Amino acid sequence: AQSVTQPDIHITVSEGASLELRCNYSYGATPYLFWYVQSPGQGLQLLLKYFSGDTLVQGIKGFEAEFKRSQSSFNLRKPSVHWSDAAEYFCAVGPNTGGFKTIFGAGTRLFVKA
Amino acid sequence: DAGVTQSPTHLIKTRGQHVTLRCSPISGHKSVSWYQQVLGQGPQFIFQYYEKEERGRGNFPDRFSARQFPNYSSELNVNALLLGDSALYLCASSSSPGQGITDTQYFGPGTRLTVL
Repeated sequence: AQSVTQPDIHITVSEGASLELRCNYSYGATPYLFWYVQSPGQGLQLLLKYFSGDTLVQGIKGFEAEFKRSQSSFNLRKPSVHWSDAAEYFCAVGPNTGGFKTIFGAGTRLFVKA
Repeated sequence: DAGVTQSPTHLIKTRGQHVTLRCSPISGHKSVSWYQQVLGQGPQFIFQYYEKEERGRGNFPDRFSARQFPNYSSELNVNALLLGDSALYLCASSSSPGQGITDTQYFGPGTRLTVL
């Protein structure tokens, strides 16, 4: 079955500290992989995506993610968190055969303390 | 440029009623997808339309239907509402029918549906 697992329901980090959000997926074929962010009352914004090639992907707002095929993981990282990064983060997988039937994880809520 | 717009912002209905949600894609975008996001969960794919044709359907009952108009705007209809239909309904638009290295879905702010 196709699924996305985000093991951490919520994470709290101090401003300026590094961040890693975990994501594991189960998918029949090699999927496209995504990280989205959702701020309260807003829709989803794409942070970055992986389709092929270099397994380290750079995104917006200083985020990066690494695809590890052997571990079926696509973890999101940021070296220094800002208070404005507090939001809900969703990992997602999508088909590489066309269409937008994207499967999302349950999300990780990030809290940033001063 | 205007992003994806959805109306209404909030909606309250009672069980058994039907509801229509509307989405206007980014200008020039021909693909619209609908997602349901129940509180505390990630979005679930409901439908995708491209050039007025259904291109994908998620695991939702037939009470859910959608259509896309010649101007590429879209409606999501839900009949015989259940309490479990309470959720944030997100619309996303894209210029292409599928995901590729240069293609991205852009999400609207959503419609919050509450079923009492």
